Amino acid sequence: DTEVTQTPKHLVMGMTNKKSLKCEQHMGHRAMYWYKQKAKKPPELMFVYSYEKLSINESVPSRFSPECPNSSLLNLHLHALQPEDSALYLCASSQVFQGKAGELFFGEGSRLTVL
Amino acid sequence: EDKVVQSPLSLVVHEGDTVTLNCSYEVTNFRSLLWYKQEKKAPTFLFMLTSSGIEKKSGRLSSILDKKELSSILNITATQTGDSAIYLCAVDTHGKSTFGDGTTLTVKP
Repeated sequence: DTEVTQTPKHLVMGMTNKKSLKCEQHMGHRAMYWYKQKAKKPPELMFVYSYEKLSINESVPSRFSPECPNSSLLNLHLHALQPEDSALYLCASSQVFQGKAGELFFGEGSRLTVL
Repeated sequence: EDKVVQSPLSLVVHEGDTVTLNCSYEVTNFRSLLWYKQEKKAPTFLFMLTSSGIEKKSGRLSSILDKKELSSILNITATQTGDSAIYLCAVDTHGKSTFGDGTTLTVKP
């Protein structure tokens, strides 16, 4: 069982909907990540939070809005998505030691379908 | 732009065979190279390599980094059907992991 919990596991939304993906970890990790993974492709980094502050935004469209309310939680707010945004959205966390990130612990992902 | 290239892209072997998966990289500010295994769902961590020439080993799996050649290999000996998965190589630079396209390994009984 993964120690990074993502909800919901599956989400179907229309292009005008507003929804959120949630991620939680209780390993005391201070870095949290959102990745997007399309079928038969590797994970692509979207956002990195380090000590609850956004440290990396990989030029992600503004229809994706991340939020880190505290060190255990990470949200991804979705609004006005396009069908090509359909993918598996993976949350991950890692330790930070002397400014360096450790290995990523992934959640099982939220499978998003945009109609 | 950081680049991670894995080869082969796919591999089919029979149980008991030994396989070697390759990963090469061109990145700025290299910090570590990581190997992950992805079955149906999320990637799970296998190894983290930071120093050249030091082999990491876990059971039938082992990995080594060559910083001079900017590459790493992942070896799996005596393969089993449960080893069938996508093996992902990632390079961490300043807290950002860039993944290769992965090697899809299929182990036939």
